[in-house]
Amino acid sequence: EDQVTQSPEALRLQEGESSSLNCSYTVSGLRGLFWYRQDPGKGPEFLFTLYSAGEEKEKERLKATLTKKESFLHITAPKPEDSATYLCAVQGSQGNLIFGKGTKLSVKP
Amino acid sequence: DGGITQSPKYLFRKEGQNVTLSCEQNLNHDAMYWYRQDPGQGLRLIYYSQIVNDFQKGDIAEGYSVSREKKESFPLTVTSAQKNPTAFYLCASSSELGTTRGQPQHFGDGTRLSIL
Repeated sequence: EDQVTQSPEALRLQEGESSSLNCSYTVSGLRGLFWYRQDPGKGPEFLFTLYSAGEEKEKERLKATLTKKESFLHITAPKPEDSATYLCAVQGSQGNLIFGKGTKLSVKP
Repeated sequence: DGGITQSPKYLFRKEGQNVTLSCEQNLNHDAMYWYRQDPGQGLRLIYYSQIVNDFQKGDIAEGYSVSREKKESFPLTVTSAQKNPTAFYLCASSSELGTTRGQPQHFGDGTRLSIL
């Protein structure tokens, strides 16, 4: 059964304190791993797609990496505006996205 | 501006009432999806459609119905058979048809449904 587990559930950082969010997955025939950002009361905003182990993508203070079992979202020198819930999802051979429960990130000034 | 528009933003349902949530996209995407989001849970798939006039049940389709008469539109009806409808409903679309690599889904800003 395809499964996605995100950790930690919640993360509090001081502004400028770098850290990483984890997404562990099991999937049959990985077609893609997706990272999203979700603000309260809004829909998820697409950030990255990763397709194969060793792939990395970057956008401003965010960098996503992928291995055969997990993905990390690294946040370098975060700012308060990076506070949000970050969602990870995988798409396997059966075609539908399987979402994790998310990591709620709070960045204090 | 291309995107997905969901309406209304807030909706209230009375006992025994059916309500319909609207979803329109101008991204020219073939595939459209409906998800339900509850606190502390991941997004769960209700229905999806890969092409006009065709749709499939997701993991939690009971108590819901959909139609796909136009490429741009994928309305969701929450029927009176859905006993616990209070949730945040999200519509998404992707250019999935004919691709072997997974394509990202793009989401609207959701409809929050509550029981009166």
